[in-house]
Parts: sequence; structure tokens; C-alpha cells
Amino acid sequence: DQQVKQNSPSLSVQEGRISILNCDYTNSMFDYFLWYKKYPAEGPTFLISISSIKDKNEDGRFTVFLNKSAKHLSLHIVPSQPGDSAVYFCAAIKNYGGSQGNLIFGKGTKLSVKP
Amino acid sequence: DAMVIQNPRYQVTQFGKPVTLSCSQTLNHNVMYWYQQKSSQAPKLLFHYYDKDFNNEADTPDNFQSRRPNTSFCFLDIRSPGLGDAAMYLCATRLTGVGEKLFFGSGTQLSVL
Repeated sequence: DQQVKQNSPSLSVQEGRISILNCDYTNSMFDYFLWYKKYPAEGPTFLISISSIKDKNEDGRFTVFLNKSAKHLSLHIVPSQPGDSAVYFCAAIKNYGGSQGNLIFGKGTKLSVKP
Repeated sequence: DAMVIQNPRYQVTQFGKPVTLSCSQTLNHNVMYWYQQKSSQAPKLLFHYYDKDFNNEADTPDNFQSRRPNTSFCFLDIRSPGLGDAAMYLCATRLTGVGEKLFFGSGTQLSVL
């Protein structure tokens, strides 16, 4: 029973263009969402997050959009750079700030940015 | 630099031979997690420590145990590894009250022969 779904295993984008990574979730109790980036042989590193009370959060080239009614979020990277090539994990949490706030991850989307 | 350190990076063990993976942190975070990630799968939470309190996920096999002797260290013990336990094991930490960001180590890739 996958509560966080990333339906695209991979995405290929040309350098300079926009990358859009999608994520769907099933549990309406999730109240905080995060994106992590993972390079081979390294642990995931935090990229950007959004609270369920917002619909957009922006940090430099990275923007996350949240559509609560559709239970959908997306990560936009503009412009995409070859160094952005990595696996991107969407993660969700319920009980924000509480002791049982554990991240539930999607399977990840492998982004390849071609020069 | 403050960080989460996992040793070893690669671990090979034999079927049924106990193995221990270690994690240390210099962040002084009160919560420590162990995730299991198999190829092309989502990281799966095995258990976590909230301070000294151990929280086991319902579907974590009994074969997996954990110890946290102090704030800085946490161990994952696999009592009798099976072939299906071959995976990347990720340790992560979090400081409650300052957000939900988890900080991950580089992981230990476990092979079972």
C-alpha cells in the first residue's frame, strides 16, 4: 500500500529547460512534504519542503507546488543543469512536529539533464 | 563538519551470519532512524529512536534489532541475514522542534552471500 507515489521512474531533460517531477499521495493526513535528491553512493540530501497550509514554495531554481484537493505535488527545476542529474525522492509526513513524524518516501524519479 | 556517518560503506556477510551496521552523528539530534532501501524502491522505515524511546515499525522483521547506547550512536543488528536483506541501509537524524528535515548518512550497502 503505497502512500506516496512517483509514477515516473525516469525523466530526461535538456540543459536549460524546465524539469517537472511529479508526486501523488493517498493519505489526507499528511501535513508536510519534502523533496530529497540522491546521487549514486550517497545518502539523500534535503532539497525543498512545503507545508500543507501553502500551495507554493520557492528556493532559487527549485519550486514545489502543492495541490491538496488533487493530493498532488510537483517539483519544478528551472533552468535545469547537468549537475541536477540525480534521483529525486518525494516524501510526506503526518503529525508535523510531533514525536511520531516519520517520513514516507516515494520510489524516486531519476532525472537526467543532458548538455 | 557536523554530519551523519555510517560505517562501513560496504558490508559483505554470509547467509545467516550476524552483522552490525553503525551510525554516528555530531549533530546532537534527538531522533535517529534506520531505513532500508532496495533497488528502485522507496526507502522503508525500519525503526527509530525518539531520544531513548525505541519505536519499531509494525512490519519490521524480528530479525532486525537496534541499539542506541547514547545520543551519538545507533546500531542496526541483523541477527540472521537472508538473501532478501541485501539492500542499502540508511541512517538519518532529526532534531524535533526545528522542522521535519531528516539528515542522512551515506548509507551502508549490504550484500549477503
